[in-house]
Amino acid sequence: GQQVMQIPQYQHVQEGEDFTTYCNSSTTLSNIQWYKQRPGGHPVFLIQLVKSGEVKKQKRLTFQFGEAKKNSSLHITATQTTDVGTYFCAENSGGSNYKLTFGKGTLLTVNP
Amino acid sequence: DADVTQTPRNRITKTGKRIMLECSQTKGHDRMYWYRQDPGLGLRLIYYSFDVKDINKGEISDGYSVSRQAQAKFSLSLESAIPNQTALYFCATSDPKQGKNIQYFGAGTRLSVL
Repeated sequence: GQQVMQIPQYQHVQEGEDFTTYCNSSTTLSNIQWYKQRPGGHPVFLIQLVKSGEVKKQKRLTFQFGEAKKNSSLHITATQTTDVGTYFCAENSGGSNYKLTFGKGTLLTVNP
Repeated sequence: DADVTQTPRNRITKTGKRIMLECSQTKGHDRMYWYRQDPGLGLRLIYYSFDVKDINKGEISDGYSVSRQAQAKFSLSLESAIPNQTALYFCATSDPKQGKNIQYFGAGTRLSVL
């Protein structure tokens, strides 16, 4: 099935520093979703990107979808300890919009 | 109360035992999913169901079976558990009418096979 490669696998930052995680696909994606999983918790939906070049913001989080719809990024400005967790991208497989294929995730840790 | 409830939350079992993980939801969603999470491997789809009469294999269905007893209930069985099935298991639901296929996850079941 279609795969999304997510990098980096781990990122440790000092509180206040910025953070970015990237998802890349070899094929054009119909859309991409982002989820956050807090330590010991379950994945929670953050956002979906559909349009080429789309940029969406949620407070300190900025989500981008590439012009070719083959890559996406999540950027956090001025990280806080509450940002700790694993961030996953996920794409709808096979164009059916029925199921998601998740990237392996980026674990973010923040040093206060 | 949680909209997607998984039971048990934790389970330790022995190799060769049959075990069932249960999932129930009050969201009224037709679609339900079972995922497995292993460190460094992300979430991998085991089985999914679009309605009571529909069951589909996912990426890693070998060694697992499922039953959709009702719209609200979707259970995952390990017929003969083996140690490499030790993992965190998540049930999820989605509503196609939302148009986004957002997945709503349960709290997870941590399974250890000794």
